Amino acid sequence: GESVGLHLPTLSVQEGDNSIINCAYSNSASDYFIWYKQESGKGPQFIIDIRSNMDKRQGQRVTVLLNKTVKHLSLQIAATQPGDSAVYFCAENIGNYGQNFVFGPGTRLSVLP
Amino acid sequence: DAMVIQNPRYQVTQFGKPVTLSCSQTLNHNVMYWYQQKSSQAPKLLFHYYDKDFNNEADTPDNFQSRRPNTSFCFLDIRSPGLGDAAMYLCATSRDPGQGSDTQYFGPGTRLTVL
Repeated sequence: GESVGLHLPTLSVQEGDNSIINCAYSNSASDYFIWYKQESGKGPQFIIDIRSNMDKRQGQRVTVLLNKTVKHLSLQIAATQPGDSAVYFCAENIGNYGQNFVFGPGTRLSVLP
Repeated sequence: DAMVIQNPRYQVTQFGKPVTLSCSQTLNHNVMYWYQQKSSQAPKLLFHYYDKDFNNEADTPDNFQSRRPNTSFCFLDIRSPGLGDAAMYLCATSRDPGQGSDTQYFGPGTRLTVL
C-alpha cells in the first residue's frame, strides 16, 4: 500500500475533452475511496468519494468508477477546463475503524489550450 | 472560511534544531492526521489522533512526535530534523466514522526547509 515514485505520470488533454485518470489500489479489504485534487503549493482538495458497495458515483462534471474485481478506481472529468490542471490522487481507507488512508502515487493532469 | 489551519505556512530550521508545526480546526472533528509529502510524491501518513487516542504508523521515525491538547489543536514535533525531513507537512481532519462520513479535510500545509 505504500506509494513510491519520483516521477509522476502525466496526462495531457485538450481543453473541452474528457479526462480519465486511473488508480490501482492495494488492499481488497478497503471499503472507502476518495479522489483528491492538489494544486501546486496547496493541500489536497476533496473531489468525490465512493464506498465499496457501489461501482459508480457521479458529481458535478466528475464520475468515479470502482472495479473491486481488479482493484481499480478511475476518475472521469467531463469537458476538462484549464482550472482542472493539477495532480490527482486516489486514496483508499484500509483502517480498522476507518482512519488509515493510503494514497496512490498521483497523476499530473495538464490541460492544453 | 478556513476550516483546517496550519501555521506557519513556511518554516525554516537548522539541522538538528527541534521544530514544532501546528494545526487547528474549526470543524470539531474527532480525528486529526499528520502527513508528510515530499516533492512529486503522494502524502504519507505519519500518525493520527482519534480523540485523545494516538495511533502511530509502524514506519514513522521516532524523531516525529505529536501532541493533541484539545479537540481543536494538534502539533507535530520534529525533535532533530535532518535534511531528509524537508517536505510539506499536511494536517487533515475527519469526523467519527460512525457518523457516516470518513472524508478528510486538509489544511494548506507547512513547507519545512532544513538548512
